[in-house]
Amino acid sequence: NAGVMQNPRHLVRRRGQEARLRCSPMKGHSHVYWYRQLPEEGLKFMVYLQKENIIDESGMPKERFSAEFPKEGPSILRIQQVVRGDSAAYFCASSPYMWGVNTEAFFGQGTRLTVV
Amino acid sequence: EDKVVQSPLSLVVHEGDTVTLNCSYEVTNFRSLLWYKQEKKAPTFLFMLTSSGIEKKSGRLSSILDKKELFSILNITATQTGDSAVYLCAVLIGSSNTGKLIFGQGTTLQVKP
Repeated sequence: NAGVMQNPRHLVRRRGQEARLRCSPMKGHSHVYWYRQLPEEGLKFMVYLQKENIIDESGMPKERFSAEFPKEGPSILRIQQVVRGDSAAYFCASSPYMWGVNTEAFFGQGTRLTVV
Repeated sequence: EDKVVQSPLSLVVHEGDTVTLNCSYEVTNFRSLLWYKQEKKAPTFLFMLTSSGIEKKSGRLSSILDKKELFSILNITATQTGDSAVYLCAVLIGSSNTGKLIFGQGTTLQVKP
């Protein structure tokens, strides 16, 4: 059973371009969480999705950022018109049930986005 | 605002030393506290603590939670160079239909030979 797969591992975009980050959860996991880690900072929650539904997007910037987790295929975090401040490592985690007292979520290797 | 604070932010020790990493928190709807180890890749799970006073152990690592004083410690005994990493403390918060982790800044541990 492969772990949480994120791709690409590294992504370079020029200011104003779009970035699409993909996350394939572990087999049997229907809950996905996206986190952002800025340089010298801890991981910050962005969004929690269940298949075809956004459950909690309280950590998502109001503009330019969107996320989806379709019925088929990976979860996508999309950043439009990227700016230098978007440069960070973006981690995805997945779990079989909602993240809870007895349910651990597993993290992917992350996508390191660099905006030049 | 929900907050998780770790200390120290960085630590340098020699092999064989014992270290204690601290994590304090102020959150609403606390559900559990988790420790992760991050070595330039995916954070890997170490412990999940839900109840006060019950020590969890895994080899040379152990952790305990104090829900009255709102903190947790992670102990590593007989440190090895392979323990060098960033140790992340996170608190799971949420209600019955949603949950998310609030992370601290991390403690960077360097173990010298």
